[in-house]
Amino acid sequence: QSAVTQPASVSGSPGQSIAISCSGTSTDVGAYKFVSWYQHHPGKAPKLMLYDVTTRPSGVSDRFSGSKSGNTASLTISGLQAEDEADYYCASYICDTCPVVFGGGTKLTVL
Amino acid sequence: EVQLVESGGGLLQPGGSLRLSCAASGFAFNSYWMHWGRQAPGKGLEWVSRIDNDGSRTDYADSVKGRFTISRDNAKNTLYLQVNRLRVEDTAVYYCARGLFWGIQDVWGKGTSVIVSS
Repeated sequence: QSAVTQPASVSGSPGQSIAISCSGTSTDVGAYKFVSWYQHHPGKAPKLMLYDVTTRPSGVSDRFSGSKSGNTASLTISGLQAEDEADYYCASYICDTCPVVFGGGTKLTVL
Repeated sequence: EVQLVESGGGLLQPGGSLRLSCAASGFAFNSYWMHWGRQAPGKGLEWVSRIDNDGSRTDYADSVKGRFTISRDNAKNTLYLQVNRLRVEDTAVYYCARGLFWGIQDVWGKGTSVIVSS
């Protein structure tokens, strides 16, 4: 089963930009343009922030953007705000019958 | 408004059983795949299971295969997760989510807590 790797934590000050990486392999992140990102505030419902690497669902701020290079995808948050402090998870499509695999999650702290 | 509301969680002993429910509203439930996921205390999100829009296809994580059963009642706009032979490591908040293509889950509920302890 695939394992997608994220840093355990990142931090930044209000107004700054940060990036969270999502590292996979040539059979998952590197193979498809189907990486998604989720924001999760403790005690609340997870929220889809990006899909297909770069697409924002309706209502998601354009401060959130995505990219991919090789086997690594990234979520960038610009103009950090206190409300962005949350856990962020990536997920990559592998195959139609494969389990959905989330990365281990990254805790974003806004200093 | 698209909404998912989970219920049915509780405190159980190891080996016990429970049925979780997820009431859907605000969208054409019978047109979407649906998923269950969970988050154990101090851990990340873990995908548990999915079901196609008419219930004919189901998939499970290895960790729950043979113990959990996902099902749906499209007439009641409700998703279920039957959890049997519970283990301490099944302790988690369980979430239901609406599925899009490629396994993307675009709407999530707030979750229901399952605690397995002797």
